[in-house]
Amino acid sequence: DIQMTQSPSSLSASVGDRVTITCRASQTISSYLNWYQQKPGKAPNLLISGASSLQSGVPSRFSGSGSGTDFTLTISSLQPEDFATYYCQQSYSTPRTFGQGTKVEIK
Amino acid sequence: EVQLLESGGGLVQPGGSLRLSCAASGFTFSSYVMNWVRQAPGKGLEWVSGISGSGDNTYYADSVKGRFTISRDNSKNTLYLQMNSLRTEDTAVYYCAKDRGTTVTKKDYFDYWGQGTLVTVSS
Repeated sequence: DIQMTQSPSSLSASVGDRVTITCRASQTISSYLNWYQQKPGKAPNLLISGASSLQSGVPSRFSGSGSGTDFTLTISSLQPEDFATYYCQQSYSTPRTFGQGTKVEIK
Repeated sequence: EVQLLESGGGLVQPGGSLRLSCAASGFTFSSYVMNWVRQAPGKGLEWVSGISGSGDNTYYADSVKGRFTISRDNSKNTLYLQMNSLRTEDTAVYYCAKDRGTTVTKKDYFDYWGQGTLVTVSS
């Protein structure tokens, strides 16, 4: 199975900050990497597919990059509604696997 | 509008069984891979199982293989998860999630999710 490791596990940031979350795969997954946002008590919401394709309706302050084993989710200017937990997920092979999550909290 | 509505969760004793359902609407159900993803209390997301649009191909996480069975009834637009030999570690919110395509490919992603149903395995 492909292991996905996110860093950091949590971070504190202020509104307006630039935030970067890293996801590393245990083997190469090309660009088959998706990012989700989850707010407390809610289902996850797809933000980015294929490492860098922003989903319709997702604000442009979110961006994704990377290929191979190393990927990044960037929020260019953190907004109050962005405080949530973020997960990466690989679709290169089954079983589909997720990172452990990165919780973005208010500083 | 795509809607996924899970049901069937509840409290069950270790070793017991439960069947989850996910009623889908707002899209051509038979044209898409469907999945179950779970989340233990306070923990991260874990993909559990997937099934192709036709139902011919099924996929499982090692943690549930041999105990859980995924199926679908395309005439009823409903996805199922039969869970047998339940363990305390199966306690989680179970989400139904729609996939991008008809068959499992590398380009897949989970584009719509239900609100989840809680399964508690405890004596």
